[in-house]
Amino acid sequence: VQVVESGGRVVRPGGSLRLSCVVSGFSFEAFGMSWVRQVPGKGLEWVSGINWNGDSTSYADSAKGRFTISRDNAKNSLFLQMNSLRAEDTAFYYCAREGDYGGVDDWGQGTLVSVS
Amino acid sequence: QSVLTQPPSASGTPGQRVTISCSGSSSDIGSTFVFWYQHVAGAAPKLLIYRDDQRPSGIPDRFSGSKSGSSASLSISGLRSEDEAHYYCSIWDDSLKGIFGGGTKLTVL
Repeated sequence: VQVVESGGRVVRPGGSLRLSCVVSGFSFEAFGMSWVRQVPGKGLEWVSGINWNGDSTSYADSAKGRFTISRDNAKNSLFLQMNSLRAEDTAFYYCAREGDYGGVDDWGQGTLVSVS
Repeated sequence: QSVLTQPPSASGTPGQRVTISCSGSSSDIGSTFVFWYQHVAGAAPKLLIYRDDQRPSGIPDRFSGSKSGSSASLSISGLRSEDEAHYYCSIWDDSLKGIFGGGTKLTVL
């Protein structure tokens, strides 16, 4: 299983950014996916989740109304569209696969978003 | 502040057994499964324990999980230097919404 995030960069407050996550080694279309972030020096925070076919999504309160999770099963890809970015959104963003028994199991190494 | 409470730090010497606690309530830990993750800075977080006490393949049996009521614990026996990391408990619902504890930094002295 490989999970690779990309798209992180420095962006101005109020700006937008789209993160991508490409996976391989498993049947992407069969699994839900999540985005989890970590502010440097702080703990892990779940951001958003999406079911296997994209028709059910959920968001943390901090992301509601500003972030949109989506997926393209034909391209084994997960996305996170982030709008109206704030300084407090500065973090490493991780993509993670739904586990066979709940939760998430396989994670990527993250991509850094810096809002400054 | 997370609804799942972990001690911010723990420590032990090589070969020792260390236990990290995760405290919640009857409406969170007490009513769903607990998962544990290990996170070394700069690396992908790793699933150590799922469904309270189950180990994924490839995770050594030095790592064990348990739960009683509204509290859960992760124990690491035969402590090694490479176990130095942050450890997080978490719970998840059916919509893949997750809650993490604040994390415990484990130092191997």
